[in-house]
Amino acid sequence: DAGVIQSPRHEVTEMGQEVTLRCKPISGHNSLFWYRQTMMRGLELLIYFNNNVPIDDSGMPEDRFSAKMPNASFSTLKIQPSEPRDSAVYFCASSLNRVNYGYTFGSGTRLTVV
Amino acid sequence: DQQVKQNSPSLSVQEGRISILNCDYTNSMFDYFLWYKKYPAEGPTFLISISSIKDKNEDGRFTVFLNKSAKHLSLHIVPSQPGDSAVYFCAVSSYGQNFVFGPGTRLSVLP
Repeated sequence: DAGVIQSPRHEVTEMGQEVTLRCKPISGHNSLFWYRQTMMRGLELLIYFNNNVPIDDSGMPEDRFSAKMPNASFSTLKIQPSEPRDSAVYFCASSLNRVNYGYTFGSGTRLTVV
Repeated sequence: DQQVKQNSPSLSVQEGRISILNCDYTNSMFDYFLWYKKYPAEGPTFLISISSIKDKNEDGRFTVFLNKSAKHLSLHIVPSQPGDSAVYFCAVSSYGQNFVFGPGTRLSVLP
């Protein structure tokens, strides 16, 4: 298995632009998570899906952030409009049933909003 | 208020010596604990876990200790190697709930 695949690896965009981050979870995993890593706050959970259904989006910072999971093999995290304070590394992770040995993370997308 | 704390943002250790990374949590309901290691430009990878029914779990050079009464866990790496230089996150959960991650500790193992 290729693991959790995220694209793009790096994204530089201007303030006000729309940004879409993509994630392909591990085949067979039924839970998917979006995390954001910053120096100040470490790893923050933004939203997670179970069986393609959003279960908890309480970590999404504001309405500018939205996430979808149209099928078991694909998810997107969209920021519209983007702001400089959104600059961070965004990780997608997947797991089977959320428990056991934790999550498998992708390599992340480093977002820079200028 | 942070549920999981790693009070040392960074730690430097000489190669061959022991590295001890600490993690404190606030909720006594947490019953499953993990350590993740993260290299630059990569996602965190699972390292070792422990459940609340144990107080120690060992895997090669890595040992995790859990002190439930103190709500404290630690990761011991011995002997430390330069390849262990990374950011280490502890993560905690209670059954059926999501993991909560600490802010991480950057370990530097000096040759």
